[in-house]
Amino acid sequence: AQSVTQLGSHVSVSEGALVLLRCNYSSSVPPYLFWYVQYPNQGLQLLLKYTSAATLVKGINGFEAEFKKSETSFHLTKPSAHMSDAAEYFCAVRISGGSEKLVFGKGTKLTVNP
Amino acid sequence: NAGVMQNPRHLVRRRGQEARLRCSPMKGHSHVYWYRQLPEEGLKFMVYLQKENIIDESGMPKERFSAEFPKEGPSILRIQQVVRGDSAAYFCASSPTGVNTEAFFGQGTRLTVV
Repeated sequence: AQSVTQLGSHVSVSEGALVLLRCNYSSSVPPYLFWYVQYPNQGLQLLLKYTSAATLVKGINGFEAEFKKSETSFHLTKPSAHMSDAAEYFCAVRISGGSEKLVFGKGTKLTVNP
Repeated sequence: NAGVMQNPRHLVRRRGQEARLRCSPMKGHSHVYWYRQLPEEGLKFMVYLQKENIIDESGMPKERFSAEFPKEGPSILRIQQVVRGDSAAYFCASSPTGVNTEAFFGQGTRLTVV
C-alpha cells in the first residue's frame, strides 16, 4: 500500500534561513507526489507536484522539491524563509488507477522566527 | 471562476443530531472527493463521487455517514447521530476528470460536536 511519512511534526527556522521539510513515500509503482500548504483555518493550496517529468520540481512562493527514487524521498526546500511561510505543510502521494485519491502525511508545522 | 465552495464553514451540533456538509465544485468539475482531518492528523480520504455515482467509498465509516453528488446541486456529506469523535475539519476537493489532474480544495467545514 502506498503511504507517506513526514519526519518532524514541528520545524522551526529563523527568517532568512533554509527551510527543509522531509517526506518519504512508499509506493510499488512510480508515484505522483504533491506538497500542499495549509494556513490556519484555511483549505489546502498546492505548492508543487511531481508527475515523473523533471526530478527537481519548482513550485510557488520559492519552494522546490527533489524526487529521489533511490531514497524514496521528496523533500521540500526553500533557500530563505519568510515570515509568511509559517503554516502547515503536507506531503501526499496519489493512488493511481481507480479513484486517484490522495494519501497524506501527518503534516509538518513550520514556525518562522524573526 | 469561483473556487470550490464549502458551507457552512463552521457547524456546531449536539450529540445525536445530524450534520449536513455541502460542497459546490469548481465550474466544469464533475469529480468530487471528501477528506477528513482530525486534530494533529493529516487528511484522510473518505469518498470519491462523480455526478450521481459513488466511485470509491473505501474511507467512509460503515455507519452513520453517507455522501451524494446529485445531477443538480452540490455534493452533500451527511453524518447522522453525530458523536464527539466526529469533530473534525471536512474538506472537499474537485477535479475536472479525476485522472492525472490536480484536485482543488475548498476551505473546509469545521464540525464541532458538543
